[in-house]
Amino acid sequence: IAGITQAPTSQILAAGRRMTLRCTQDMRHNAMYWYRQDLGLGLRLIHYSNTAGTTGKGEVPDGYSVSRANTDDFPLTLASAVPSQTSVYFCASSKGTENSPLHFGNGTRLTVT
Amino acid sequence: GQNIDQPTEMTATEGAIVQINCTYQTSGFNGLFWYQQHAGEAPTFLSYNVLDGLEEKGRFSSFLSRSKGYSYLLLKELQMKDSASYLCAVKGGDYKLSFGAGTTVTVRA
Repeated sequence: IAGITQAPTSQILAAGRRMTLRCTQDMRHNAMYWYRQDLGLGLRLIHYSNTAGTTGKGEVPDGYSVSRANTDDFPLTLASAVPSQTSVYFCASSKGTENSPLHFGNGTRLTVT
Repeated sequence: GQNIDQPTEMTATEGAIVQINCTYQTSGFNGLFWYQQHAGEAPTFLSYNVLDGLEEKGRFSSFLSRSKGYSYLLLKELQMKDSASYLCAVKGGDYKLSFGAGTTVTVRA
């Protein structure tokens, strides 16, 4: 079944540790995104990529980095995790056209202690 | 920046109609999306509006007024499975999608 796969499903991480959240899509979508979702704040864009080889900063990029080496994969790295990065992280993709909706992965629940 | 407002919670009875309002102030406008998100799950796409007017999809309809910065999602013939959060999202002038905080709808028997 075509879609987006995120890993891990959940993770507890000690503050200061490095962590990479994985995201893979098999829909050949051009654009990919990382959002975090926090209670009362909704989904906030961290980083995005309009096409392989390019990335851009979203609303809350600090403390996160991404790469887009190919069309399918868009990993999100926390270089040195802090408790404020405790959240649910959603990866999404779209065809990249104006009216194309986002397709979301099932999310990664990250707790930084 | 983007400012997207929607009510936090709404409650309705099974079989009834509920209207979820969304107002927005954005730098440019390239479309408005509604998503449904059940607890613990990923958001799923419901509707897209870019021109003024009503778009109907079965029991769900979405309306847009660009001049008023206003949209609503109408859920008819409510079913228990419609209990979920409904997210209003606006694609601004930079083509990035910004989300409101979501409206949690509870359907009661």
